[in-house]
Amino acid sequence: DQQVKQNSPSLSVQEGRISILNCDYTNSMFDYFLWYKKYPAEGPTFLISISSIKDKNEDGRFTVFLNKSAKHLSLHIVPSQPGDSAVYFCAASRISSGSARQLTFGSGTQLTVLP
Amino acid sequence: DTEVTQTPKHLVMGMTNKKSLKCEQHMGHRAMYWYKQKAKKPPELMFVYSYEKLSINESVPSRFSPECPNSSLLNLHLHALQPEDSALYLCASSQLFGQGVGEQYFGPGTRLTVT
Repeated sequence: DQQVKQNSPSLSVQEGRISILNCDYTNSMFDYFLWYKKYPAEGPTFLISISSIKDKNEDGRFTVFLNKSAKHLSLHIVPSQPGDSAVYFCAASRISSGSARQLTFGSGTQLTVLP
Repeated sequence: DTEVTQTPKHLVMGMTNKKSLKCEQHMGHRAMYWYKQKAKKPPELMFVYSYEKLSINESVPSRFSPECPNSSLLNLHLHALQPEDSALYLCASSQLFGQGVGEQYFGPGTRLTVT
C-alpha cells in the first residue's frame, strides 16, 4: 500500500522554465510534507517543507503547494537550472513512537533540466 | 553544521563476514535513523532511535543489529548477510517532535555489496 505516490518517474524541462513535480498521499495522519533532492551516490538533501495547515511555502526558487482536500502537493522550481537535475523525493511526515518523526517517501521523479 | 558523516563509503563483504557501518552527527539531534535504498527505489526505513533508545524496528532481519552508543553516534552491525542485502545504507538524524518540522538530514551513505 503506497501511502505517498509520485506518478511521474521522469520530467524534462528547458533551462529557465518552470519545473512542476507532483505528489499524492493517502494517509490523513501526515502533518508535514517535505521535498528532498538526491544526486547519484549521495544522500538525499532536504529542500523545503510545508505544514498540513498551510497551503503554500516559498524559499527562493522553490515553492511547495498543498491541496489538503485533494491530498496533493507539488513542488515548483522557477527558473529551472541545469544544476537542479536530480531525483526529487516527496516525503510525508508523522509523529511516531518515542517522539521521533517517521518519513514515508514517494518513489521519486528524475528531473532533467536541459541547457 | 548540518553534516551527517558515514563510514565507510563502500564496503564489500562475504556472507560469513561481520562488519559495522558507522554514522556520526554533531547537530544535537536526539533522533537517528537507518534506511536502506535499492537502485531506483525510495529509501526504506529500517530503525529509529530516540534519546539513544530503539523506538522503531521495521521488522528488519536479525542479521542487522543497530546500536546507539551515545547521542552523536549510530552503528549498524552486519552479520551473515545475503546478496540481496546489497544496497545503499543511509543514516539520518533529526530533532524530535515539538522541536519544529523535524526534517531529517542524511549522510552520503555506505554502498554495501555482499558477495
